[in-house]
Amino acid sequence: AQSVAQPEDQVNVAEGNPLTVKCTYSVSGNPYLFWYVQYPNRGLQFLLKYITGDNLVKGSYGFEAEFNKSQTSFHLKKPSALVSDSALYFCAVRDKGFQKLVFGTGTRLLVSP
Amino acid sequence: DAGVTQSPTHLIKTRGQQVTLRCSPKSGHDTVSWYQQALGQGPQFIFQYYEEEERQRGNFPDRFSGHQFPNYSSELNVNALLLGDSALYLCASIGGDRGRPTDTQYFGPGTRLTVL
Repeated sequence: AQSVAQPEDQVNVAEGNPLTVKCTYSVSGNPYLFWYVQYPNRGLQFLLKYITGDNLVKGSYGFEAEFNKSQTSFHLKKPSALVSDSALYFCAVRDKGFQKLVFGTGTRLLVSP
Repeated sequence: DAGVTQSPTHLIKTRGQQVTLRCSPKSGHDTVSWYQQALGQGPQFIFQYYEEEERQRGNFPDRFSGHQFPNYSSELNVNALLLGDSALYLCASIGGDRGRPTDTQYFGPGTRLTVL
């Protein structure tokens, strides 16, 4: 079965500093990986995805993610954090069968002024 | 704005009751998935509908059922509600503008169900 793990419940970073939110995955074949963000009382907003190709994926709002096959990781990054980036971030892997997404438990990002 | 709409926004029910949640996908999308997100958890896949049929199902009991209409909108029905059914229910829309499937799922704002 495919799965993702987000080892950190919470990440704290000061505004203007770089941020990293970690994700590791377990799949039987080629991984299809996604990052979503959730603001309070809102649904999930798509940030970026890795399907194939370049290991560095660029997404919305200045976020990017680095796919590392040898470490089975797909960490989310941003060079300079904003207070408005404070939210809940989910990593997900897609079941190749029928587009089912399997989510991690989420990481809360807190960016302090 | 992902273009996926869900109704109602909030709902309060009592144990044993039945509830129906609704979802309209993005224009041009033909596949709808439903997820349950309990407090403090990641979303869990309930089932997916395509061409008005349930195509895949997660580990949820038969109390959870659904339907897809010819216009691709969908309903999630939950019977005999339990306290543990309290959660945010998310609908995800899948499909390209020309009807070809894409890899990105676009989520609606969700319906917050509270069971008392």
